[in-house]
Amino acid sequence: EAQVTQNPRYLITVTGKKLTVTCSQNMNHEYMSWYRQDPGLGLRQIYYSMNVEVTDKGDVPEGYKVSRKEKRNFPLILESPSPNQTSLYFCASRADRTTGELFFGEGSRLTVL
Amino acid sequence: SQKIEQNSEALNIQEGKTATLTCNYTNYSPAYLQWYRQDPGRGPVFLLLIRENEKEKRKERLKVTFDTTLKQSLFHITASQPADSATYLCAWAGSYQLTFGKGTKLSVIP
Repeated sequence: EAQVTQNPRYLITVTGKKLTVTCSQNMNHEYMSWYRQDPGLGLRQIYYSMNVEVTDKGDVPEGYKVSRKEKRNFPLILESPSPNQTSLYFCASRADRTTGELFFGEGSRLTVL
Repeated sequence: SQKIEQNSEALNIQEGKTATLTCNYTNYSPAYLQWYRQDPGRGPVFLLLIRENEKEKRKERLKVTFDTTLKQSLFHITASQPADSATYLCAWAGSYQLTFGKGTKLSVIP
């Protein structure tokens, strides 16, 4: 089954404790992206990647890191999480680098205390 | 920066009627616009894509229009059903990025 898989789905952590949210797609997609979704603010892009070893900032990259060492994986790293990073996070991928539908994961709900 | 506005936060409609959702954008025309459906606690699901040189796209009970003069896209669901209740997101496509509107929560009342 074609899918984008995120882990963990739910996480409660404390300020400053490094964490990684994994994202994996099995569709051989070129493009991958991370979004966060907050009430009243909608979906905002954090980082995106057009290919292996190619990543770029989205609209809200502060406090996040990403890497794309393999085509299928695009982890999101929070080096020192803060409460304002409490959010619902979505990973997405698409086949083409510049166009087409995005396939979203089921989301990762993160709470930073 | 590019702004995407979905005029209604929420829209209630009677079952069987046509629901019309609006998406307006500022500044530049996108290469294309997309519409997604999102159910509570789930990831968005792609519905339709319309390019800047297309006026209208249809898929079953769904129809999308694109007016570059008005800088507006309209999303229609005909013969709406309670199962159509969800949040609908409009997305503006730039070079490599998609910028999403905040969404319109549609409730179809039986």
